[in-house]
Amino acid sequence: GESVGLHLPTLSVQEGDNSIINCAYSNSASDYFIWYKQESGKGPQFIIDIRSNMDKRQGQRVTVLLNKTVKHLSLQIAATQPGDSAVYFCAEKTGANNLFFGTGTRLTVIP
Amino acid sequence: KAGVTQTPRYLIKTRGQQVTLSCSPISGHRSVSWYQQTPGQGLQFLFEYFSETQRNKGNFPGRFSGRQFSNSRSEMNVSTLELGDSALYLCASSPGAGSETQYFGPGTRLLVL
Repeated sequence: GESVGLHLPTLSVQEGDNSIINCAYSNSASDYFIWYKQESGKGPQFIIDIRSNMDKRQGQRVTVLLNKTVKHLSLQIAATQPGDSAVYFCAEKTGANNLFFGTGTRLTVIP
Repeated sequence: KAGVTQTPRYLIKTRGQQVTLSCSPISGHRSVSWYQQTPGQGLQFLFEYFSETQRNKGNFPGRFSGRQFSNSRSEMNVSTLELGDSALYLCASSPGAGSETQYFGPGTRLLVL
């Protein structure tokens, strides 16, 4: 079956540093990946997505890297700010199937 | 454009009762998915509705059911509540069936005593 997991459940970074959040997936047929940010008391918020025919995609202060060889996904946040403190989820999708989410990584930004 | 709305935001029930949660998708979105989120777990997919039809279903018991109305609003129902049903129930809408990017509501926090 599919599984989406995270290497680290918690991550603490200093304000201004770059953050890297990692995610592993097991289904080599997954063709779409997405990162969500969830702040306390709110629903998940879309950050960035990437298709399997790409290996890198950049947004505003965020970059997603996809390594299909080792089935690894990462989210890089540049110049991390206190407002970035949240739980980050990766999710994968295979064809027309639903999204499968990982358990999440809690990012804490230290001022 | 208004986002996804869910009602109620908080709910307390006792074991054995049933509960109905409501979700109004973003205007123009026709697909609604429901997820259960519990501490220490990721989001677990419950089901997806599109054009009033259940399109996909996750691995949850039959006590969990849902429906979608012609205006794309959706409800989910949990019957014979158990303590383990305490969770944040999230609704997400997307433009079409199987759409990739889903937009989440704030969730309904259900506590079963």
